[in-house]
Amino acid sequence: GDSVTQMEGPVTLSEEAFLTINCTYTATGYPSLFWYVQYPGEGLQLLLKATKADDKGSNKGFEATYRKETTSFHLEKGSVQVSDSAVYFCALHLGGAQKLVFGQGTRLTINP
Amino acid sequence: DTEVTQTPKHLVMGMTNKKSLKCEQHMGHRAMYWYKQKAKKPPELMFVYSYEKLSINESVPSRFSPECPNSSLLNLHLHALQPEDSALYLCASSWIWTGRSYEQYFGPGTRLTVT
Repeated sequence: GDSVTQMEGPVTLSEEAFLTINCTYTATGYPSLFWYVQYPGEGLQLLLKATKADDKGSNKGFEATYRKETTSFHLEKGSVQVSDSAVYFCALHLGGAQKLVFGQGTRLTINP
Repeated sequence: DTEVTQTPKHLVMGMTNKKSLKCEQHMGHRAMYWYKQKAKKPPELMFVYSYEKLSINESVPSRFSPECPNSSLLNLHLHALQPEDSALYLCASSWIWTGRSYEQYFGPGTRLTVT
């Protein structure tokens, strides 16, 4: 079945460090890929998305590129801030299906 | 406006109570969703409504009863819940699928505690 695997957390970095959160997927078709972020005590916010191979999604300094050959959608940011501390979820959606398939989430803590 | 609103923000209820969670969106989305999220876990899909009709029920116990009165509103009626039902309940909405994938927009959630 369709699935998403994220790197296990928690991840702790210092402010201004480079961030990578790995995400790989298994899907029977050609999914759209998403990164959602959940700040403490809040719902999920869409961070970025990519709908086809080689697309790059970007938002708020975060980037992720849809790599079909490696079935990956790794999240990167060049310089993290304390305010980036949150849980990050990678997810896929297949056109025609009615479900988002989520990874397990990666908790990120940024220390000043 | 890309906002999904949910009320109440917090709810404490006894196991014999009846309560309802409410969700509203004004983005014209015709798909609406209920998710349950336990601590340190991803959201789990409970129900999907498309064009105001229930299209997916993920084998959710009957003590949870969804309702979609119109295209903007989604309710979740709660009755005789168990302490293990305590969780964050998230509502989401999206454009309807026609062979394409659309992102879902989530509300802030209702934090439910069953005592």
